[in-house]
Amino acid sequence: DTEVTQTPKHLVMGMTNKKSLKCEQHMGHRAMYWYKQKAKKPPELMFVYSYEKLSINESVPSRFSPECPNSSLLNLHLHALQPEDSALYLCASSQEPTGGRKGQFFGPGTRLTVL
Amino acid sequence: KQEVTQIPAALSVPEGENLVLNCSFTDSAIYNLQWFRQDPGKGLTSLLLIQSSQREQTSGRLNASLDKSSGRSTLYIAASQPGDSATYLCAVKGDSWGKLQFGAGTQVVVTP
Repeated sequence: DTEVTQTPKHLVMGMTNKKSLKCEQHMGHRAMYWYKQKAKKPPELMFVYSYEKLSINESVPSRFSPECPNSSLLNLHLHALQPEDSALYLCASSQEPTGGRKGQFFGPGTRLTVL
Repeated sequence: KQEVTQIPAALSVPEGENLVLNCSFTDSAIYNLQWFRQDPGKGLTSLLLIQSSQREQTSGRLNASLDKSSGRSTLYIAASQPGDSATYLCAVKGDSWGKLQFGAGTQVVVTP
C-alpha cells in the first residue's frame, strides 16, 4: 500500500460547526503533515507530526486542532472557521521526518468550503 | 530565507515536443529537492526526488537535474503527451529537519 488517503473528499460547513478531517497511511511512515492550499498557490505547511508528536506548528490559528492518535492516522479538527479558511487541505507523509529516500507522499486532499 | 522560483508560470507545447521546466532557489545549502505534479483540484503526485549529493534522477520519460552551485534544477519530460498537462511544482528542503519550500509552479498544457 503506497498511498495516503483522506476523508471526506468534500466538506461544506458553517462558521459555528465542528468537523474533522481524517488522513491515513499504511506505509509505516513516521512523519505526517497537514498543508493548506488556496487556488493557484502552492501548499502551505500547517503542522508536522514526527513519531506521533507535534514537532512543527506554523503559527496556525487555534480553530485548527491537529491530532495524531497513532502512527497511521492524522486528524484535523475544525471549529469556528472563517470563510477565508476555505481551501484544499492536503495530508502528506514521509518515511522519516527528514524525508527519507523518497520524500513526501501526498493524499488527494479535502476540499473545504466554509459558509 | 530560501526563495524558490519557477519560470515560466505557464507553458503550452504541441504533443511530442520535449518539455523543459525550470526551478531556481536562492540558498544553495539544500538537503534535497522534490518535483511534484498536481492535476486541478487534486493532491500532489511525487515525480522525482534528488538528494543534495546527486546531480540527476531519471524515471521513464522524466529526468531531473540539480546544480546546487547555481541554485537550479531542471525537469525534462521527453515526448510530451496530452496526459502530461498539469501544474508542476518543485520543492526544496533546506536541511534534514526543515520544511519543504515550494515554488509557485508551472502550469503545462500539451495540445494534441
